[in-house]
Amino acid sequence: DAKTTQPNSMESNEEEPVHLPCNHSTISGTDYIHWYRQLPSQGPEYVIHGLTSNVNNRMASLAIAEDRKSSTLILHRATLRDAAVYYCILRSPYNAGNMLTFGGGTRLMVKP
Amino acid sequence: KAGVTQTPRYLIKTRGQQVTLSCSPISGHRSVSWYQQTPGQGLQFLFEYFSETQRNKGNFPGRFSGRQFSNSRSEMNVSTLELGDSALYLCASSWSTTEQFFGPGTRLTVL
Repeated sequence: DAKTTQPNSMESNEEEPVHLPCNHSTISGTDYIHWYRQLPSQGPEYVIHGLTSNVNNRMASLAIAEDRKSSTLILHRATLRDAAVYYCILRSPYNAGNMLTFGGGTRLMVKP
Repeated sequence: KAGVTQTPRYLIKTRGQQVTLSCSPISGHRSVSWYQQTPGQGLQFLFEYFSETQRNKGNFPGRFSGRQFSNSRSEMNVSTLELGDSALYLCASSWSTTEQFFGPGTRLTVL
């Protein structure tokens, strides 16, 4: 799987939008961009995924650059509960199985 | 719908012992994956089982093994425990390649 690069940590104020960047310059044409997050003392949870078009769900939005070499996870109004480590992961549907390759992720701190 | 459950939640063993961890996936999920999480190495993929067959394997020594039963429940076993095996072991289940559901993990401490 292609590699992703994320900042080690970011800080945000509560109720403000948060933009979490991810660089994936070696992404292949079939790689989907997945985001998971891990809240303290919990297992990771799925946030969102996309291929080319921007995606929205109840948790977040995913903005994908036109050349697909970068993407941004957007939390529209951060809450204290959003403090977590956010992982950007690339997966090809042609890879057999469900293996996820986690990088270091971005630790998001939310200030009240 | 009940989530992924893992037992036990905490475990303390000594070097040289073996340990078995259990994972019950979400009902209907046939894929179960295992991950090891340590402060130094982060989250690393161990193996995945699908319909009782190992489908993928990560880069771990043969001391780490697993199996899946006909009801999709899975176990992983670590033999001859080493201090470096102390970690959070996470199990994830899925019915598709889109989203995986993780359990709370088993915290293993090797003394």
